[in-house]
Amino acid sequence: QVQLMESGPGLVQPSETLSLTCTVSGFSLTSYNVHWVRQPPGKGLEWMGVMWSGGSTDYNSALKSRLSISRDTSKNQVFLKMNSLQSEDTTTYYCARGRAAPDYWGQGVMVTVSS
Amino acid sequence: DIQMTQSPSFLSASVGDRVTINCKASQNINKYLNWYQQKLGEAPKRLIYNTNNLQTGIPSRFSGSGSGTDYTLTISSLQPEDFATYFCLQHNSFPLTFGSGTKLEIK
Repeated sequence: QVQLMESGPGLVQPSETLSLTCTVSGFSLTSYNVHWVRQPPGKGLEWMGVMWSGGSTDYNSALKSRLSISRDTSKNQVFLKMNSLQSEDTTTYYCARGRAAPDYWGQGVMVTVSS
Repeated sequence: DIQMTQSPSFLSASVGDRVTINCKASQNINKYLNWYQQKLGEAPKRLIYNTNNLQTGIPSRFSGSGSGTDYTLTISSLQPEDFATYFCLQHNSFPLTFGSGTKLEIK
């Protein structure tokens, strides 16, 4: 059974770095890509970036300067780090498995940026 | 970036109704269009991939069509469990981009 679960701090201080973990089961990170997507309140979903099965990454150019995605295949985990957080980064963050595009998604983790 | 314009934003319908939701891309996306359903507090669920391919386990009342820039999700006979938010995603080119969503409510 394919499962993805996001975890991370619910609250982050402005200007600090967000660190999220996506823990997966039911598939191999070396066979499937993992995408990160977020959903700002009142806006549509935003694709953030992808960890390709081969280990390379691609990012949304709008976030590229702040974003880093990595993984630990031995732990079945994919990591997202985004720096210089501001209030507009308050949203729900999702990881999702996919080849070209997401098929299975995690339930998401809500992150609030506030002092 | 490819812009995805989804309509309508809100849709009020009754059980048994046939409904359609549309997504228009700002350029040809070569049928690389997926549809997802999301219920409050749940993970999004893929319904349709590559315009018209039904995800395994999804009821056949869901169907997709389209080509070029224009795509449609059709629910042939609404069931109570179908009241949710639906959104489209183009994966013809990066960055992947989403429609703004359609909230389907019970009339």
